[in-house]
Amino acid sequence: QQQVKQSPQSLIVQKGGISIINCAYENTAFDYFPWYQQFPGKGPALLIAIRPDVSEKKEGRFTISFNKSAKQFSLHIMDSQPGDSATYFCAASVTGGGNKLTFGTGTQLKVEL
Amino acid sequence: GAVVSQHPSWVICKSGTSVKIECRSLDFQATTMFWYRQFPKQSLMLMATSNEGSKATYEQGVEKDKFLINHASLTLSTLTVTSAHPEDSSFYICSASAGLEETQYFGPGTRLLVL
Repeated sequence: QQQVKQSPQSLIVQKGGISIINCAYENTAFDYFPWYQQFPGKGPALLIAIRPDVSEKKEGRFTISFNKSAKQFSLHIMDSQPGDSATYFCAASVTGGGNKLTFGTGTQLKVEL
Repeated sequence: GAVVSQHPSWVICKSGTSVKIECRSLDFQATTMFWYRQFPKQSLMLMATSNEGSKATYEQGVEKDKFLINHASLTLSTLTVTSAHPEDSSFYICSASAGLEETQYFGPGTRLLVL
């Protein structure tokens, strides 16, 4: 019940295209959903986060779509660039649950020229 | 803002020795710090959670006597890998959060190689 399932495992997108990564969860107590970007040999960096009270959040080229009834959320990267090539992790946590994050398995994104 | 540093960035040690990794929050007070372990091409595995001034809470399966965590101040937590063995070789990453805020800010990671 604590799992966050992430797909696809890897993704290749052409420059300028849209990258879409999906996550699904079971624990309905989750109420905070961040996305992290990780480059090889580096720590994860917070990209964008959403709470269940909104269905979409956009920051620049990055958009989170959230479907509470389906218990799914996704990251859309518009106009994907080679510099976006990295591993992306979705995560979820429960407010008041000690801030512990449950991570998805990660998606390795490669943006080709 | 919200910068977390780790030191060292990588370390090589002999089997049987102990290694200490430092995690510092540079521009905020970290009431809670987390230590993760990550194997190549895998997700982050939470090892333990520590709150300033209290004992760390370890995840199931993590040996607390092997991975000693100290959170002595609001800006510093340390992870000591005691009697390290080759199977302890991994990428160790810390993160920190402030107060009740859920956001975790991650350090750059420490790569440990035990020979």
